[in-house]
Amino acid sequence: AQSVAQPEDQVNVAEGNPLTVKCTYSVSGNPYLFWYVQYPNRGLQFLLKYITGDNLVKGSYGFEAEFNKSQTSFHLKKPSALVSDSALYFCAVRDSGNTPLVFGKGTRLSVIA
Amino acid sequence: EAGVTQFPSHSVIEKGQTVTLRCDPISGHDNLYWYRRVMGKEIKFLLHFVKESKQDESGMPNNRFLAERTGGTYSTLKVQPAELEDSGVYFCASSLRGLAASTDTQYFGPGTRLTVL
Repeated sequence: AQSVAQPEDQVNVAEGNPLTVKCTYSVSGNPYLFWYVQYPNRGLQFLLKYITGDNLVKGSYGFEAEFNKSQTSFHLKKPSALVSDSALYFCAVRDSGNTPLVFGKGTRLSVIA
Repeated sequence: EAGVTQFPSHSVIEKGQTVTLRCDPISGHDNLYWYRRVMGKEIKFLLHFVKESKQDESGMPNNRFLAERTGGTYSTLKVQPAELEDSGVYFCASSLRGLAASTDTQYFGPGTRLTVL
């Protein structure tokens, strides 16, 4: 069975500092990995995805994520955090079979000015 | 291009009542998904339509939940009768291709927050 773990419920970072939101996964086949963000009173917005190829994936709003097969991780990163990045971030995974998208519990990011 | 829309944004009902949630996918998207997030927990898959057909309904909690997608356009999710544990945020998503195309991006609506008292 597929699963996703987001080990941190909350991440706090100062504006201008780099940020990392952690995600590890478990799938039986090749993983397809996604990051979504939910701003207050809004739906989930797609940020980026890893399918194949380059392990470093660049996405919207300056975010990027690095796929690490040996550590089964797909951490979300940004070099310089903005207050407006404060939101709830979800990691999700599916495999190459006919399976639904599986989400983590979400990590709340707070960027402090 | 309009995104996925959902109605209502909030619904408060009493236990035993019926509620119907609606989702309008992105135009041209054949695939429509329903998910639910109970407070503080994971977003969980409920079911998937390809056009008007149910492709996968393995996540539906029980037979109090009924989803339809007449004509392959908008979808409704009815809960009848509602129970306290049905409270949560119900998300709808759509994508161009089906589950078999696992690389496809799903685009989500804003969700309907359901509270059952």
